Amino acid sequence: KQEVTQIPAALSVPEGENLVLNCSFTDSAIYNLQWFRQDPGKGLTSLLLIQSSQREQTSGRLNASLDKSSGRSTLYIAASQPGDSATYLCAVYWGGSTLGRLYFGRGTQLTVWP
Amino acid sequence: EAQVTQNPRYLITVTGKKLTVTCSQNMNHEYMSWYRQDPGLGLRQIYYSMNVEVTDKGDVPEGYKVSRKEKRNFPLILESPSPNQTSLYFCASALGSGINNEQFFGPGTRLTVL
Repeated sequence: KQEVTQIPAALSVPEGENLVLNCSFTDSAIYNLQWFRQDPGKGLTSLLLIQSSQREQTSGRLNASLDKSSGRSTLYIAASQPGDSATYLCAVYWGGSTLGRLYFGRGTQLTVWP
Repeated sequence: EAQVTQNPRYLITVTGKKLTVTCSQNMNHEYMSWYRQDPGLGLRQIYYSMNVEVTDKGDVPEGYKVSRKEKRNFPLILESPSPNQTSLYFCASALGSGINNEQFFGPGTRLTVL
C-alpha cells in the first residue's frame, strides 16, 4: 500500500534557524514528489516539485532533496522567518498502476517565533 | 492570472439537500482532481479526471459524483449530503498525468452539513 509519512508532526523554532522537514514514502518507484505550504484555513501553495530523475530542487531559501533508494525527501528551510509559519505537506505521485492518484502525508506544522 | 477557482467558498446545508461545488481552471490543464481535508486524516483524494469524459475514483468516492464535460470545469456533486461529508474540499489541476504533473490547488470550499 502506498503511504507517505511526515515527521515531526509539529516543530517550533526561533527565527533564524536552519531547519529540515522530513517526508518518507513506501515504494521507491515514484514519478515525482511535491512539497506544499498551507496557511491556516487556506489552500495549498506549491513550493517545489522533484521529478524521479532529479536529486534536488531549489527555490530561494528552500531546498528539497530526494533519495528514492531510501524512500525519503527532505525540505530544507534556511534562515527561517516568522512568515514561514505554516503547515508543510509532501505529496507523492507513483504513476504506474496508480496513475492519477496523489498521496499526501499529514504534514508538519511549523511555528517560527521572533 | 492562472488559477483554479471554486464556488462557493463556504456552504452550510442540511442533510439530503443536493448540492454542487464548482471548480474551474484557466490553464488548459488536462488533469483535475478533488480532495477533502479532515483533521487527523489529512488530504484524501475523492475523484480525479485525466481528460474530458474520463473520471476515476480516488480513496473516498462514496457519496460523491463528478463530471468532466469540458476541459476547464470539474464540478463535485453531493446527491444526498450527510453530516460525515462536513469537510474542507479542494480542487486541483495539473498539465497532465505524467512525471511533471505539478498540481495547483484552488482556495477551498468549507462545507458544513447539518
